[in-house]
Amino acid sequence: DAGVIQSPRHEVTEMGQEVTLRCKPISGHDYLFWYRQTMMRGLELLIYFNNNVPIDDSGMPEDRFSAKMPNASFSTLKIQPSEPRDSAVYFCASSPWGSYNEQFFGPGTRLTVL
Amino acid sequence: DQQVKQNSPSLSVQEGRISILNCDYTNSMFDYFLWYKKYPAEGPTFLISISSIKDKNEDGRFTVFLNKSAKHLSLHIVPSQPGDSAVYFCANAGGTSYGKLTFGQGTILTVHP
Repeated sequence: DAGVIQSPRHEVTEMGQEVTLRCKPISGHDYLFWYRQTMMRGLELLIYFNNNVPIDDSGMPEDRFSAKMPNASFSTLKIQPSEPRDSAVYFCASSPWGSYNEQFFGPGTRLTVL
Repeated sequence: DQQVKQNSPSLSVQEGRISILNCDYTNSMFDYFLWYKKYPAEGPTFLISISSIKDKNEDGRFTVFLNKSAKHLSLHIVPSQPGDSAVYFCANAGGTSYGKLTFGQGTILTVHP
């Protein structure tokens, strides 16, 4: 298996622009997680899905952030409008049913908002 | 709410010696802990876990110890190898949301040849 795939790997944009991050989880995994890593806050969970349904979005920082999972093999995290403080590495992870804590992470998307 | 703290930002060890990484937590109600390892430009990878019904869990060179009374866990790597050089994150799982992990800030381990 190719593992969790994220695109793009790097994104540089200007403040106010819309940013869309993409994730393809491991086939057969029931859970999908979006994390953000910053120097100040470390690695924090933003939202997670079970069987394409959002279960907990309490980590989403503001209404500017939204996430969707239209099917079992694809998810997006959108920031609109983006701000410099959104600069971070965003990770997507997936896990199978019954092992939801042992999560498989993608390589991350490094977002820079100028 | 749960807080997970790794108070040592970095650790340097000689190859072949033991590496000990530490983690403290605040809420005894959340009873499952994991360690993840992260190399630069990669996502974290799961290493080893422990639940509160155990005091110790081993997997090859990696052993995790849980001290519930002190709300403390540690990861021992014996013997340490240069390929173990990475950032190590302690994480806690529990509460009402399964899969909701709370991560520590991480400890950078450097193993010198």
